Amino acid sequence: DGGITQSPKYLFRKEGQNVTLSCEQNLNHDAMYWYRQDPGQGLRLIYYSQIVNDFQKGDIAEGYSVSREKKESFPLTVTSAQKNPTAFYLCASMPRGNSGNTIYFGEGSWLTVV
Amino acid sequence: EDQVTQSPEALRLQEGESSSLNCSYTVSGLRGLFWYRQDPGKGPEFLFTLYSAGEEKEKERLKATLTKKESFLHITAPKPEDSATYLCAVLEGYDYKLSFGAGTTVTVRA
Repeated sequence: DGGITQSPKYLFRKEGQNVTLSCEQNLNHDAMYWYRQDPGQGLRLIYYSQIVNDFQKGDIAEGYSVSREKKESFPLTVTSAQKNPTAFYLCASMPRGNSGNTIYFGEGSWLTVV
Repeated sequence: EDQVTQSPEALRLQEGESSSLNCSYTVSGLRGLFWYRQDPGKGPEFLFTLYSAGEEKEKERLKATLTKKESFLHITAPKPEDSATYLCAVLEGYDYKLSFGAGTTVTVRA
């Protein structure tokens, strides 16, 4: 079945550590996105990418980094520079073009700093 | 500055009491506006995509409309199972930036 797979579902990070969240899709989508969601709030855009080897900063990119070496993969690294990383992280993808655009979401990853 | 603003933040309804949610946007080159439903601890669930002003879409008790500056999600005769957070998102520009509003949390009491 086609879809988006995020891993791990739950992750604990110690202060000062970098962690990487995985996002893989087999939908042949060009566009991929990373969002952060805090309790009771909406989705805030961290990074997005339209093609391989290219990506753009979203509204809250500080303390995060990404890569897009393959079309199907868009990993997110939460660096030690991110002061308050505890949150729910969602990866999404969509096909380009204006007809029938639908956003596909992964199941999300819960990151907790301990 | 916010590009997508949703109002109200929260809405408490009695079962059967119809109401509307608003999503206003200030983006250039709108490619599409999306409505999603989200239950606590879960990912968003797709409801509608709207592309041009004047467009309307319906699904069960929900109806979404779009103008050049805003979209409305109308909930007709809601039931308790319609309780959720409703998210609006806009897709814009040549680089397909996809931005979400903060959401409206709807609670429907029996």
